Amino acid sequence: AQKITQTQPGMFVQEKEAVTLDCTYDTSDPSYGLFWYKQPSSGEMIFLIYQGSYDQQNATEGRYSLNFQKARKSANLVISASQLGDSAMYFCAMRSNRGSNYKLTFGKGTLLTVNP
Amino acid sequence: KAGVTQTPRYLIKTRGQQVTLSCSPISGHRSVSWYQQTPGQGLQFLFEYFSETQRNKGNFPGRFSGRQFSNSRSEMNVSTLELGDSALYLCASSLSRDRAYGYTFGSGTRLTVV
Repeated sequence: AQKITQTQPGMFVQEKEAVTLDCTYDTSDPSYGLFWYKQPSSGEMIFLIYQGSYDQQNATEGRYSLNFQKARKSANLVISASQLGDSAMYFCAMRSNRGSNYKLTFGKGTLLTVNP
Repeated sequence: KAGVTQTPRYLIKTRGQQVTLSCSPISGHRSVSWYQQTPGQGLQFLFEYFSETQRNKGNFPGRFSGRQFSNSRSEMNVSTLELGDSALYLCASSLSRDRAYGYTFGSGTRLTVV
């Protein structure tokens, strides 16, 4: 079974500063994918970044980067230069890349508040 | 390009009734998945459809069902509604079942059962 743990229920950061949101995972699958999603109060889940378990380099997408430490089973999201619009819930998720079950398993989320 | 469209956005139903939610994926996307989001249980996988076939099902009672049409649009149905079915129901579409592709979510349907 897959499990995602996000230990920070809430985080605060000053505008323009960087912030790291923690995510650890557990799986017995050798091949898997890790995702981060942002959910503003409107409810829509916005895809931010993806990391495959066999990817050699850490994923980056603009101000988002994923600090992937496979041995420690962690996939932390780093947001650089925070903006007020970054205030939202952030979810870490994973999916097995083996077999036929493509469901996403989500963590409980971290509520990020960016202060001016 | 249009995103994933879910209708209706909000719904209020009475216990015991049934409800049908609709999801129109991004044009060309053939995989549609459904998730339930509640404050207590978080985000939980309901089912996935690909080319009109249910490929995977989550751990939900038989009251929850779905289908996918030939144009990839999907519907989910909940019969005999219970108070605990109150949730945000999210639909996600993907271009294919290829592992490299991410999922694009809609804005969800917020269902309230009274």
